[in-house]
Amino acid sequence: GQSLEQPSEVTAVEGAIVQINCTYQTSGFYGLSWYQQHDGGAPTFLSYNALDGLEETGRFSSFLSRSDSYGYLLLQELQMKDSASYFCAVRDRGNAGNMLTFGGGTRLMVKP
Amino acid sequence: DSGVTQTPKHLITATGQRVTLRCSPRSGDLSVYWYQQSLDQGLQFLIQYYNGEERAKGNILERFSAQQFPDLHSELNLSSLELGDSALYFCASSASATDVAQYFGPGTRLLVL
Repeated sequence: GQSLEQPSEVTAVEGAIVQINCTYQTSGFYGLSWYQQHDGGAPTFLSYNALDGLEETGRFSSFLSRSDSYGYLLLQELQMKDSASYFCAVRDRGNAGNMLTFGGGTRLMVKP
Repeated sequence: DSGVTQTPKHLITATGQRVTLRCSPRSGDLSVYWYQQSLDQGLQFLIQYYNGEERAKGNILERFSAQQFPDLHSELNLSSLELGDSALYFCASSASATDVAQYFGPGTRLLVL
């Protein structure tokens, strides 16, 4: 089976940088995705890493180390609107389709 | 707005009943996914359909079933409902069966009393 671990809660101030870590255990591995979910809203796709290294998309970056079964989401120049839950998710080789297994989510609180 | 629509937004029903949740994917998307989100279980994959065929199956109970119709909309049927089935049910879609990004609808909040 698959399991993912991420911190349950992170707090940071506006304008700062925050890193949300995710470690995973899976029998096979295609890649690591990140989703954002605001309270009462739907998950929104942020990024995907299939290979080792850093992927940058505006203020958000995502990193993957396959050898360490570890990834992180980096949020820069934090804004109040970034307060949300962030989920890492893996798709592994065991699936014929596109099944995602999600971590428990990290609740990010951005303070003024 | 992701372009994925789900109806109804809210549903209140009693134990033992059966409900049907409906999802219309984004225009052009052939793949539909169903997820359940609850406080104790988190966000869990239920099932994936691609162009009318079941493609992947997750932790979906036998009391639950789904299908994707020729017009690509999908329905999730939940029967013999239990209190523990109360959750937020999301539908997502993607263009192909293996697209990295999945686009989630607004969800259906189910309350079983």
